[in-house]
Amino acid sequence: NAGVTQTPKFQVLKTGQSMTLQCAQDMNHNSMYWYRQDPGMGLRLIYYSASEGTTDKGEVPNGYNVSRLNKREFSLRLESAAPSQTSVYFCASGSDSFTNYGYTFGSGTRLTVV
Amino acid sequence: EDKVVQSPLSLVVHEGDTVTLNCSYEVTNFRSLLWYKQEKKAPTFLFMLTSSGIEKKSGRLSSILDKKELFSILNITATQTGDSAIYLCAVDQYNYGQNFVFGPGTRLSVLP
Repeated sequence: NAGVTQTPKFQVLKTGQSMTLQCAQDMNHNSMYWYRQDPGMGLRLIYYSASEGTTDKGEVPNGYNVSRLNKREFSLRLESAAPSQTSVYFCASGSDSFTNYGYTFGSGTRLTVV
Repeated sequence: EDKVVQSPLSLVVHEGDTVTLNCSYEVTNFRSLLWYKQEKKAPTFLFMLTSSGIEKKSGRLSSILDKKELFSILNITATQTGDSAIYLCAVDQYNYGQNFVFGPGTRLSVLP
């Protein structure tokens, strides 16, 4: 089925460990996004990529790095995990950054940092 | 297969109209249903619903959940041009599911 695939679905890390969240879409969308969702705060944009080869910071980029490997894949890396990064992470893709209807979200990654 | 369906997918109204957006779902391990308003890049959280029949309100927006019939509605009264956005419905699941299942969204355009 077409859509956005995120892995892993769940992860527990110790403080200071690193990990990479993977995201892939098969809809030929140019734009891809990483969000985090915390209770009572809704979704906050971490990084986005308007097209292959470009990435830009969102609202809460500190502690994260991203890589747009190709048009399909957009990964999010935590170099040194902190408890404040405990959250649910969503990847999304869209056919246009601002105007086109068509955002598709992955199913999320529940990350706990202890 | 878990799924969330929203209707209509697109809606055009004039300022002052009242609109009702629909979200129906078929998911396992239901925990809660969430509504978001999406303008530009980052969706804004509107409501989280966990119990049937309890209306949540915020200004001109209100929402209610029916867990027996597996749907939720989002009402917007006296619409304004600033309400123009994509409204996303998502269902949160307990562990061992997809975690979250998002609907495709309803694109609302409010004309002056």
